[in-house]
Amino acid sequence: DVKVTQSSRYLVKRTGEKVFLECVQDMDHENMFWYRQDPGLGLRLIYFSYDVKMKEKGDIPEGYSVSREKKERFSLILESASTNQTSMYLCASSFISAGGGTDTQYFGPGTRLTVL
Amino acid sequence: GENVEQHPSTLSVQEGDSAVIKCTYSDSASNYFPWYKQELGKRPQLIIDIRSNVGEKKDQRIAVTLNKTAKHFSLHITETQPEDSAVYFCAATVRGGADGLTFGKGTHLIIQP
Repeated sequence: DVKVTQSSRYLVKRTGEKVFLECVQDMDHENMFWYRQDPGLGLRLIYFSYDVKMKEKGDIPEGYSVSREKKERFSLILESASTNQTSMYLCASSFISAGGGTDTQYFGPGTRLTVL
Repeated sequence: GENVEQHPSTLSVQEGDSAVIKCTYSDSASNYFPWYKQELGKRPQLIIDIRSNVGEKKDQRIAVTLNKTAKHFSLHITETQPEDSAVYFCAATVRGGADGLTFGKGTHLIIQP
């Protein structure tokens, strides 16, 4: 059974703080993704990675960075948290299918971040 | 980039009736279309997906249809049950998802007893 875990379910931070959100998957998936979910906006892709040390910008990368030092771990970093980054953050992972695309994306439980 | 529109935002149906949720996409190169179900307070879970070389796919009470010419795809749930109540998201992606998924804004499905 695929397991994607995130370091915290709830997090409260102050404006200007540096925030680290961590995601770990145990299925040896190549691809990992960070999304944020806001009411009425659905899920939006922030960054993704298809290999260790590799990263690609998604649709809304501004104000975020990522790190992938090990295959199973993908970190999202808010360099200087702002109130508009208050959101639910969801990590996902997937294989690369035989055709070169990805297989099913499996999601973690989410981290609800509040920036005061 | 890809843009996915999803309708309706809220859908209320009587238990036992059918529910249909529709999505359109903008990028004709998109080739993978998953549907996720998210129950309150839980993570999104894949319920069905379809690839661009297939027009329809069915799994028990759930089916998805794809019209590549019109660039739209739909989720059909028959014989709805209370446990079908949730938010449903469609998504689309190029290269099977190697670039991440572009999601619709979601449909809150309410099953009335």
